[in-house]
Amino acid sequence: DQQVKQNSPSLSVQEGRISILNCDYTNSMFDYFLWYKKYPAEGPTFLISISSIKDKNEDGRFTVFLNKSAKHLSLHIVPSQPGDSAVYFCAASRDGSSNTGKLIFGQGTTLQVKP
Amino acid sequence: DAGITQSPRYKITETGRQVTLMCHQTWSHSYMFWYRQDLGHGLRLIYYSAAADITDKGEVPDGYVVSRSKTENFPLTLESATRSQTSVYFCACWPWTPGNTGELFFGEGSRLTVL
Repeated sequence: DQQVKQNSPSLSVQEGRISILNCDYTNSMFDYFLWYKKYPAEGPTFLISISSIKDKNEDGRFTVFLNKSAKHLSLHIVPSQPGDSAVYFCAASRDGSSNTGKLIFGQGTTLQVKP
Repeated sequence: DAGITQSPRYKITETGRQVTLMCHQTWSHSYMFWYRQDLGHGLRLIYYSAAADITDKGEVPDGYVVSRSKTENFPLTLESATRSQTSVYFCACWPWTPGNTGELFFGEGSRLTVL
């Protein structure tokens, strides 16, 4: 049972436009959400995160939005650049007091930004 | 260089063989993880370790064995490899600090093919 879902396997956008990557989750106990970026032949790298007590977090061109009632989060990249072309993974954790760093990942969305 | 290294980067083996994937961190982070990446499934947690000599199962532990005699090493062993274990394996560590919930550092991955 996939607790974190990224229903779009791929997304293609033009350079300079906005990229919106979506993620849905089923477990209401998740309290922290992260986005990771992965280039071919490399390991994933942390991009941005958001706590469940917030509904928005911004870092430069990257903004993550969280809608808890819909169990949905999205990553916005504005403006998109060719170097943003990568696989993006959504992840969630249910730490609370245990705080083990264990993450549940989505399937990933491959973003292609065309020059 | 500081970081997390995995070896081998590429491995081809046969069904039934034992394979060990190595993971070494140059920090002394307590938490380490093994994930596998498969198309359509994203990253799935195999095993994790909270400290030397403390390990626990993740989502997909069957067919795998881990050990952690030293903080910096976390090897993953496939005792009798099966074709379904063909995958890319990522080791990660977590520099626990207050407020850091899930920002993992990943190795570059080990691509394993079981024939």
